[in-house]
Amino acid sequence: DAGVIQSPRHEVTEMGQEVTLRCKPISGHNSLFWYRQTMMRGLELLIYFNNNVPIDDSGMPEDRFSAKMPNASFSTLKIQPSEPRDSAVYFCASSARGTGGELFFGEGSRLTVL
Amino acid sequence: GESVGLHLPTLSVQEGDNSIINCAYSNSASDYFIWYKQESGKGPQFIIDIRSNMDKRQGQRVTVLLNKTVKHLSLQIAATQPGDSAVYFCAESGNTGKLIFGQGTTLQVKP
Repeated sequence: DAGVIQSPRHEVTEMGQEVTLRCKPISGHNSLFWYRQTMMRGLELLIYFNNNVPIDDSGMPEDRFSAKMPNASFSTLKIQPSEPRDSAVYFCASSARGTGGELFFGEGSRLTVL
Repeated sequence: GESVGLHLPTLSVQEGDNSIINCAYSNSASDYFIWYKQESGKGPQFIIDIRSNMDKRQGQRVTVLLNKTVKHLSLQIAATQPGDSAVYFCAESGNTGKLIFGQGTTLQVKP
């Protein structure tokens, strides 16, 4: 079975550019999560969706970050404009049981902002 | 949760020995706990979970122990193998519904 699919796997961009990260959750899962991982702060929850609806975006760092889930099989995380401090690995995860169950993570998108 | 730091705690064990990885959590309202394993360049992978109405749960070669009195969680790996080398995270979920990850512990298995 296909797991959570993220793209791109690696992105190098210049400060000020727009970055869009994409995620396809596991089919049938009704919850989707975006996490950011850095050495300094570890794994941080940015936002999560239940049934395509954003439930909690309190972890989104600033207005430069936005996330959408137009349908059950696709989500995007956008950073505009990007800054060097946004450099991190961004993980998408999905779950069949909301926040009280196992999360299945994608392989991550490594973002480097120069 | 655990404090954020620049360096992950590291546990180094000999192949074949048992490993014990510890985790302290801060939210007494947390009622669900998970251990994840993350190999280099990959996403976290589920190992085992436990709910607050239990104090022990066993899987294949792994055991999770929960001590709610002192808010402590541990992961025991029996007969540690080189393939167990990774970063291990505990995560907790409570009344907010969010899954919050701890700092992580690096497990190094020496052949």
